[in-house]
Amino acid sequence: QSALTQPASVSGSPGQSITISCSGSSSDVGGYNYVSWYQQHPGKAPKLMIYDVSNRPSGVSNRFSGSKSGNTASLTISGLQAEDEADYYCSSYTRSYTYVFGTGTKVTLL
Amino acid sequence: EVQLVESGGGLVQPGGSLRLPCAASGFTFSSYWMHWVRQAPGKGLVWVSRINTDGSETNYADSVKGRFTISRDNAKNTLYLQMNTLRVEDTAVYYCARGVDSGSSRIGYWGQGTLVTVSS
Repeated sequence: QSALTQPASVSGSPGQSITISCSGSSSDVGGYNYVSWYQQHPGKAPKLMIYDVSNRPSGVSNRFSGSKSGNTASLTISGLQAEDEADYYCSSYTRSYTYVFGTGTKVTLL
Repeated sequence: EVQLVESGGGLVQPGGSLRLPCAASGFTFSSYWMHWVRQAPGKGLVWVSRINTDGSETNYADSVKGRFTISRDNAKNTLYLQMNTLRVEDTAVYYCARGVDSGSSRIGYWGQGTLVTVSS
């Protein structure tokens, strides 16, 4: 199972909005509404930010939102803040009863 | 408070074996799907395996199938990953993770990880 495709890096100014894409296939992203997004700060464990395409766990800021169109899912961060600088990974359930992660995106503030 | 604590990591030679336990607390362990995910140094996340609530269903990534075995002891609130025939490319931080909610296998809460280094 090949990793889902994400841009290596995305940057934005404080207060701006950015969008991270996650491209897969009909066997994973496009076939199920089971896309999740994780935030990982250096040296830390990943943290769930979005699950089932667009659901936010309790405690996660509403500045984070998710969506999906066809085989591509997206994570949008609005009102970018310094604490949002981190690596972000998407994940999807697959038709092989497994999970696959994205290649990861480094978010940087300008 | 939900806690997942991995242990058992360390240095092992190629071809060797290692068992990683993950001690769970703060939630009803027997009600949750559990996963192992790994991350090689400086690299991305890679899903390894999952197990259902009673241990009757398991799934593996192709890269570890036939070499790794996931299991759980609900009486001890502990998840395990038995790793055999280890390769240099298995070097990574290994995270155990819990389903988002009871009955769901989507990956939600993560432990802090344990480092496994495979080297001669």
